[in-house]
Amino acid sequence: EAGVAQSPRYKIIEKRQSVAFWCNPISGHATLYWYQQILGQGPKLLIQFQNNGVVDDSQLPKDRFSAERLKGVDSTLKIQPAKLEDSAVYLCASSLTGPTEAFFGQGTRLTVV
Amino acid sequence: AQSVTQPDIHITVSEGASLELRCNYSYGATPYLFWYVQSPGQGLQLLLKYFSGDTLVQGIKGFEAEFKRSQSSFNLRKPSVHWSDAAEYFCAVGARGGGADGLTFGKGTHLIIQP
Repeated sequence: EAGVAQSPRYKIIEKRQSVAFWCNPISGHATLYWYQQILGQGPKLLIQFQNNGVVDDSQLPKDRFSAERLKGVDSTLKIQPAKLEDSAVYLCASSLTGPTEAFFGQGTRLTVV
Repeated sequence: AQSVTQPDIHITVSEGASLELRCNYSYGATPYLFWYVQSPGQGLQLLLKYFSGDTLVQGIKGFEAEFKRSQSSFNLRKPSVHWSDAAEYFCAVGARGGGADGLTFGKGTHLIIQP
């Protein structure tokens, strides 16, 4: 079974630029999560999708972050404009039945300079 | 709101010695509880999880954890560590009941294995 795929693996951008991350969940997984992991901290949930609908985006900085999940499969997370404090690893996870069986991708490491 | 505390930022253990990583949580009811491991440059791998039933949970790689409701704890243990266990360990709590169920993670414990 293929795992959660994320791209790119690494990205370096200048502040005020925009960036997008892509996630392809495990086939058939209805739930998709995006987490932000700042160096030295645990992951923090940004947004949760159920199929193509948003379930929870309470911790998403909506003035600069946006996410979509078209057709309930792949998802993209965008930052525009980026700030220095957005430097982090962005993890995507998917599950069939809520958090009890969530699988994580390897993440995208973003460096904002 | 739920929260997770991992009191130990770093722990150093000799290879072959036993290990216990501490985790305390705050949640209104009985939560879902998880332990994940993260090696450098890698994603998170699930070690074990607790939903209900037996409070002693067995996981992969010889790890186990015990849920203690009275202490709001879910400590991770291993009787004999191997050098390959060196990594970052995260405890997490998840809400029950469907809907918004993303995990809340602790800050992690960095495990160092001494030869």
